[in-house]
Amino acid sequence: KAGVTQTPRYLIKTRGQQVTLSCSPISGHRSVSWYQQTPGQGLQFLFEYFSETQRNKGNFPGRFSGRQFSNSRSEMNVSTLELGDSALYLCASSLVAGSGYEQYFGPGTRLTVT
Amino acid sequence: AQTVTQSQPEMSVQEAETVTLSCTYDTSESDYYLFWYKQPPSRQMILVIRQEAYKQQNATENRFSVNFQKAAKSFSLKISDSQLGDAAMYFCAYRSAGDTGNQFYFGTGTSLTVIP
Repeated sequence: KAGVTQTPRYLIKTRGQQVTLSCSPISGHRSVSWYQQTPGQGLQFLFEYFSETQRNKGNFPGRFSGRQFSNSRSEMNVSTLELGDSALYLCASSLVAGSGYEQYFGPGTRLTVT
Repeated sequence: AQTVTQSQPEMSVQEAETVTLSCTYDTSESDYYLFWYKQPPSRQMILVIRQEAYKQQNATENRFSVNFQKAAKSFSLKISDSQLGDAAMYFCAYRSAGDTGNQFYFGTGTSLTVIP
């Protein structure tokens, strides 16, 4: 089975712009979660989607949003980019939500805001 | 909200030796899952080991084992016979067992260096 894929892998944007990141989960996985990873902060939970519905949301401003499509693919959008949004954005998928199944992570998208 | 604490930002170990990474967590729940993830320099995060809180037996996966102390809310990872390929960032993670979504709480990580 193919793993979790994320596109693009690297992105450079300017302050004030918006960006859309994409995540394709492992086939059959219906839960997709997004994390922001920065040095010293570890992984900060952004949101989780299951069956096209956002089930959980972390403590991030409304500039961060996401969605999930019927094929479980997910996108996250960040509007009005700020320098502090520079980070590695990780997507993770799970076989079934509401269980103890582990999350499988993608390689991440490295976003640099200048 | 649950919190996960990794108090060792950096650790080092000699090749073939044993190292233990610490993790503590705070929760009021009785049933949950704990995980250790490894993130090598290539950045792909992979699962190392998983523990269900209702199981008293400590989980083991080859050279990796955990010391799960539920009352103390401690979940340490022991790596035996350390290899160069074990060098990575290690994250401890918590997930509730309830049907409240698939939210994981991660610690800030421990960077492990393996010295040849």
